Amino acid sequence: EDKVVQSPLSLVVHEGDTVTLNCSYEVTNFRSLLWYKQEKKAPTFLFMLTSSGIEKKSGRLSSILDKKELFSILNITATQTGDSAVYLCAVKGGTSYGKLTFGQGTILTVHP
Amino acid sequence: GAVVSQHPSWVICKSGTSVKIECRSLDFQATTMFWYRQFPKQSLMLMATSNEGSKATYEQGVEKDKFLINHASLTLSTLTVTSAHPEDSSFYICSARDRDRDYNEQFFGPGTRLTVL
Repeated sequence: EDKVVQSPLSLVVHEGDTVTLNCSYEVTNFRSLLWYKQEKKAPTFLFMLTSSGIEKKSGRLSSILDKKELFSILNITATQTGDSAVYLCAVKGGTSYGKLTFGQGTILTVHP
Repeated sequence: GAVVSQHPSWVICKSGTSVKIECRSLDFQATTMFWYRQFPKQSLMLMATSNEGSKATYEQGVEKDKFLINHASLTLSTLTVTSAHPEDSSFYICSARDRDRDYNEQFFGPGTRLTVL
């Protein structure tokens, strides 16, 4: 059974801090790893990683995948209160239907 | 582009009734749609994979007779919660894969909050 584990489960920081969110996985026939941000509604897509060692960057957010060690990290620098959300990691693998297996999420709270 | 809508956005129903939730891809054709359930403070759990023109594939532990899925066209999938009970109260989210885009991309709908009294 595919498995995705995120840590920490929750994190409280102050504006300006840098945070690192972790995602480890066990999946058959790995295809890709995706990061999502979820506020009150459905998740919004952040990154998709398929190759090891290549950093994806978007503004203050960046992510990297290590396929040998089976994990990914999501970094957020100079955090803002608007970054407060649940960050979900999901892995695609296995079936041909493209099923995503989600981790339990990291709840990030950024205080002013 | 790649917008997915869900209807209704929230619904309250009495125990024992059935509720239908629609998931539409507005500007693309989706051969595959996915239905997820999310309980408070928990992650998304895949319930089933819906393929246009064929039967849905259900995840282990999900009752296919209780959660009926129909994917009759390339832009519409429906989830019907039959004989709903309070424990079915949850946030239901669909996602759709664009037939003409990267195989890995899924686009999520805004979700439907179901409350069963």
